[in-house]
Amino acid sequence: EAGVAQSPRYKIIEKRQSVAFWCNPISGHATLYWYQQILGQGPKLLIQFQNNGVVDDSQLPKDRFSAERLKGVDSTLKIQPAKLEDSAVYLCASSPERGSGGYTFGSGTRLTVV
Amino acid sequence: AQSVSQHNHHVILSEAASLELGCNYSYGGTVNLFWYVQYPGQHLQLLLKYFSGDPLVKGIKGFEAEFIKSKFSFNLRKPSVQWSDTAEYFCAVRGYNKLIFGAGTRLAVHP
Repeated sequence: EAGVAQSPRYKIIEKRQSVAFWCNPISGHATLYWYQQILGQGPKLLIQFQNNGVVDDSQLPKDRFSAERLKGVDSTLKIQPAKLEDSAVYLCASSPERGSGGYTFGSGTRLTVV
Repeated sequence: AQSVSQHNHHVILSEAASLELGCNYSYGGTVNLFWYVQYPGQHLQLLLKYFSGDPLVKGIKGFEAEFIKSKFSFNLRKPSVQWSDTAEYFCAVRGYNKLIFGAGTRLAVHP
């Protein structure tokens, strides 16, 4: 079974620039999650999708972050404009259905904002 | 809102020593509990999980965890660690259909 694919693996941008991350979940997984992991901290949930609808985005800084999941498969997370404090690893995870314990994580995208 | 607290941020052990990593959670309803491991440069991997039943859960690579409901705890244990267990360990709690992580414990095992 293929895992959760994320790209790019690394990204360095200047503050105030924009950036986008891509995630391809495991085939058939209805639920997709984006987490932000700042160095020295545990992953923090940013947004949760069920198919192509948003279930929870309470922790997403909506003034600069946006995410979409077209056709209930791939997802993109965008930051515009980026701030220094956005430097983190952005993790995508998927699970077969909402509430399932079977979360599978991707390798993440390490973002550095300079 | 649920929260997770991991007591130790850094643990250093010698090979063959026993390991116990503390995890306490705060949540009023039924919870599912998880331990994840992140080896250097790799993605998060599930070590073990508790949904219901026997509170002593066995996971991969010789790890186990015990759910103590009265103490809101889910501590991770391994009787004898190896150098290859050097990694970061995260406790996580799922409630309200949200998976919330602790801050993590960085374990270094010296040969």
